Amino acid sequence: SSELTQDPAVSVALGQTVRITCQGDSLRGYYATWYQQKPAQAPVLVMSGKNSRPSGIPDRFSGSSSGNVASLTITGALAEDEADYYCNSRDSSGLVVFGGGTKLTVL
Amino acid sequence: QVQLVQSGPEAKEPGSSVKVSCKASGGTFSTYAISWVRQAPGQGLEWMGGFNVMLDTPKYAQKFQGRVTITADRSTSTAYMELSRLRSEDTAVYYCARGVLPAALHALDIWGRGTLVTVSS
Repeated sequence: SSELTQDPAVSVALGQTVRITCQGDSLRGYYATWYQQKPAQAPVLVMSGKNSRPSGIPDRFSGSSSGNVASLTITGALAEDEADYYCNSRDSSGLVVFGGGTKLTVL
Repeated sequence: QVQLVQSGPEAKEPGSSVKVSCKASGGTFSTYAISWVRQAPGQGLEWMGGFNVMLDTPKYAQKFQGRVTITADRSTSTAYMELSRLRSEDTAVYYCARGVLPAALHALDIWGRGTLVTVSS
């Protein structure tokens, strides 16, 4: 199955906007799904489909996609947003692949 | 609200097998997909495979083909992941997670708490 590439680490100043990206060929045909994971916790779905937030996920989280790059944007980052963020997607066979993850630091 | 309750931690020897269970509590997953995702210590998430419970069909990541078996028992709302020929590199937390749609093995909205499997002699 195809690979998804993420920047290993990104930082953002408190209250500023940060974009976390995910790149891969499968994203030309399928949307990325995004997860937030805090230490010693299970991942939490934060974005799926074109730009769909599950109930309980703040609207400062948004998603977008262009070509083979998907992005998760946090507008007005809070200290509680500091976490690891993972993208995943599927391929034409229905198999799933995760990106390597991005560690977000809120300064 | 559905919760996924996983079985407890396991300590296994290299070459053996482990079977982890995942029971839906507070509901069923008879019309949903279930994926298994693992995370080695300090590493990222890795999709192992999943099961479309409605269609009764599993899919496996190429890396685990021949070594992993994923099944589901609709009568007890329980999914299982069995990994054979264990090696030390299989030491990880194993998660089950429910797809938001019946065949959505990738979009996972409900996760179990994880089961730690330690492989050591």
